[in-house]
Amino acid sequence: GDSVTQMEGPVTLSEEAFLTINCTYTATGYPSLFWYVQYPGEGLQLLLKATKADDKGSNKGFEATYRKETTSFHLEKGSVQVSDSAVYFCADFSGSARQLTFGSGTQLTVLP
Amino acid sequence: DAGVIQSPRHEVTEMGQEVTLRCKPISGHNSLFWYRQTMMRGLELLIYFNNNVPIDDSGMPEDRFSAKMPNASFSTLKIQPSEPRDSAVYFCATSTGGGGDTQYFGPGTRLTVL
Repeated sequence: GDSVTQMEGPVTLSEEAFLTINCTYTATGYPSLFWYVQYPGEGLQLLLKATKADDKGSNKGFEATYRKETTSFHLEKGSVQVSDSAVYFCADFSGSARQLTFGSGTQLTVLP
Repeated sequence: DAGVIQSPRHEVTEMGQEVTLRCKPISGHNSLFWYRQTMMRGLELLIYFNNNVPIDDSGMPEDRFSAKMPNASFSTLKIQPSEPRDSAVYFCATSTGGGGDTQYFGPGTRLTVL
């Protein structure tokens, strides 16, 4: 079946550092791609998404570009803040799976 | 909008007891998903309803687990009898369309089975 692989954590950065969390998928065709974020004690919430190749999703300073040639959807932010500390999940949705397939999550801690 | 509402937020029970988790979806959302989250297995989809009909229950771990959606505004996930390995956070999520649409998650129910 389909799978989503993301960078293992935990990741610890200083405030204002550059963030990259890698994500690759195995679904064939053109799945929709998502990044969800989970803050402590809360449910997941959508951070950004892209539905076709070369699309860039962006929100709250985070960006990710749908790269069909490398089957990737890496999450980036130029300058992280303490408030970005959370667990980040990459996910895809393909017609064959008919459900979201989540990666294992990456714990990010940003230190002041 | 209040978002997805789950109850209880925390549940502690003893092995062998019945546990019922509840979810109220966002009004107008016609797809509902139950997930389980553990450190060992990550986030797992248990069952998915569309227009109150179960579409995919292949993730339900065993017959001890059952889920119902009697109407568009309420769903339950029941575990009977519960076991310590069922300890996890259970999330309900809803969306306006199918699985590819943005899913809105509730705050979760943290279940501890002693």
